[in-house]
Amino acid sequence: DIQLTQSPSFLSASVGGRVTITCRASQGINTYLAWYQQKPGKAPKLLIYAASSLQTGVPSRFSGSGSGTEFTLTISGLQPEDFATYYCQQLSGVFLTFGGGTKVDIK
Amino acid sequence: QVQLVQSGAEVKKPGASVKVSCKVSGYTLPELSMHWVRQAPGKGLEWMGGFDPENGETIYTQKFQGRVTMTDDTSTDTAYMELSSLRSEDTAVYYCATSPKFMVRGELATGFDNWGQGTLVTVSS
Repeated sequence: DIQLTQSPSFLSASVGGRVTITCRASQGINTYLAWYQQKPGKAPKLLIYAASSLQTGVPSRFSGSGSGTEFTLTISGLQPEDFATYYCQQLSGVFLTFGGGTKVDIK
Repeated sequence: QVQLVQSGAEVKKPGASVKVSCKVSGYTLPELSMHWVRQAPGKGLEWMGGFDPENGETIYTQKFQGRVTMTDDTSTDTAYMELSSLRSEDTAVYYCATSPKFMVRGELATGFDNWGQGTLVTVSS
């Protein structure tokens, strides 16, 4: 199975700030990666697919990049509603694994 | 727009089975690839399995092989996930999630763009 390692697992940031989350795959997955946002008590929400394609309706302050084994999710100009946990998911192998998650908290 | 509505919370004893349903509206089940994801309290997301259109079959992670069965009732557009031999570690919120049928993995993959609201399954004696 393809393993995904996210870092950091936790970070604090200020409103208006910029955040970068990394997701590393145990083997090359081309650009077959998605990012999700999850708020407490809610289902995850798809933000980005194909590593850098923004899902319809997602604000442009979210962006994704990377290919192969290293990927990043960047949030530019953090808004209060962005404080949440973020997960990456690989869409390459038969088994569609998730990363361990990164919690973004208010500084 | 796809909407997924799951069945209500369940409390089960160790060793029992649970069957969670996921009713689809807005699209039909044959148009989608249905997956199940669980989340233990305070933990991350765990993909349990789902329909792989490239193989034309439902794939389960090895962790749940032999204990989980995912089925579809296309007459009612309802998907089911049954987990047997429950233990306390199976206490979690179980989500159904979908992607368009042929966009599950590879260059066409679009991720899970629709999710159910989640079903809490508590396993306790």
